[in-house]
Amino acid sequence: NAGVMQNPRHLVRRRGQEARLRCSPMKGHSHVYWYRQLPEEGLKFMVYLQKENIIDESGMPKERFSAEFPKEGPSILRIQQVVRGDSAAYFCASSSGGDDQPQHFGDGTRLSIL
Amino acid sequence: AQSVTQPDIHITVSEGASLELRCNYSYGATPYLFWYVQSPGQGLQLLLKYFSGDTLVQGIKGFEAEFKRSQSSFNLRKPSVHWSDAAEYFCAVNSGYSTLTFGKGTMLLVSP
Repeated sequence: NAGVMQNPRHLVRRRGQEARLRCSPMKGHSHVYWYRQLPEEGLKFMVYLQKENIIDESGMPKERFSAEFPKEGPSILRIQQVVRGDSAAYFCASSSGGDDQPQHFGDGTRLSIL
Repeated sequence: AQSVTQPDIHITVSEGASLELRCNYSYGATPYLFWYVQSPGQGLQLLLKYFSGDTLVQGIKGFEAEFKRSQSSFNLRKPSVHWSDAAEYFCAVNSGYSTLTFGKGTMLLVSP
């Protein structure tokens, strides 16, 4: 499967724990985007990364959330000290770069906070 | 800031009937426009995209969309809907900052 791979598909955490969401981009893609989808809402942009660089994090909450895309390995979205309001579906997309290149999405990680 | 409006939250169409899903955007220049479809529990699949040129674009699964600059619209159409088209449809705009702004989506229900 050469598509965007996200894991885990479902993640359950208790309040105060940490959540780590992983994303492997499509083969040949070096641009990764993270989006969050709340119930009955569209997707909201969170962060845009290239290898080892954060390009745009204007959609990221200022606290508890961080993202990385290391030289080797998947992109990681990390949420520290999770709260009930973090419950959502988190989607990763990748592209080859450029505004005219479409973004291809993974199947998402459904995060539930107990 | 750019924005996307999908005025219909739900639409019900009979199988075999035609479909039009509305999308309006707010952006100063000509944007890059996309339609995605999402089935329950799945990610988003790209249906079609508009960048420039012919304002009527063809996509997968028999869908097409027409860009109308004067109306700031990019409506999605299909001449004959199949039951398997039931899903949620999202319009999105890339305004040049390499990120997508999505509408809130339209849920399509197909009745027999």
